[in-house]
Amino acid sequence: QQQVKQSPQSLIVQKGGISIINCAYENTAFDYFPWYQQFPGKGPALLIAIRPDVSEKKEGRFTISFNKSAKQFSLHIMDSQPGDSATYFCAANKGGSEKLVFGKGTKLTVNP
Amino acid sequence: DAGVTQSPTHLIKTRGQQVTLRCSPKSGHDTVSWYQQALGQGPQFIFQYYEEEERQRGNFPDRFSGHQFPNYSSELNVNALLLGDSALYLCASSLVTGYGYTFGSGTRLTVV
Repeated sequence: QQQVKQSPQSLIVQKGGISIINCAYENTAFDYFPWYQQFPGKGPALLIAIRPDVSEKKEGRFTISFNKSAKQFSLHIMDSQPGDSATYFCAANKGGSEKLVFGKGTKLTVNP
Repeated sequence: DAGVTQSPTHLIKTRGQQVTLRCSPKSGHDTVSWYQQALGQGPQFIFQYYEEEERQRGNFPDRFSGHQFPNYSSELNVNALLLGDSALYLCASSLVTGYGYTFGSGTRLTVV
């Protein structure tokens, strides 16, 4: 049973474009929604996270949009750069140090 | 400030053997979690240790066991290795009272 569904599986964007990755969750007890960036041979690195009391959070070129009623959240990468080429994972947990449930990942390629 | 350190980085084992992976958490963190990441998949939660006790466990067989030491470092042991155990094993540390995890770069285990 996959509790967090992520799409698309892969994404190709031109430099300067907007990258959008979507996730949907099932468990309404989830209370924390992070996005991780992973480069080949490395562990996931926290990019940005949101809690359900806000609908949007922005950090630099990265924005999370959160729709609690639809149980969906998305990552927007503005002005995408070739250095953003990586695999992105959405995740969710019930808060605090509870176990993270990950989506299957989106491989982003930003062409120069 | 050192992040999460894992050793070894790569390991090749034969079916039926046993393996021990090691993790040192980020300074100040008291909780260690282990995740298994198969190729092309998101990380899957194995278990979490806090105060030297297993606090949470994912859907993994008893062949997977762990330990946390008084200095918060941790080991993951896998017995009777199967080909399907080949994966990237990630250690993540956190504060039991806080949000967010810091991941290590992982140990790439290959079972032949």
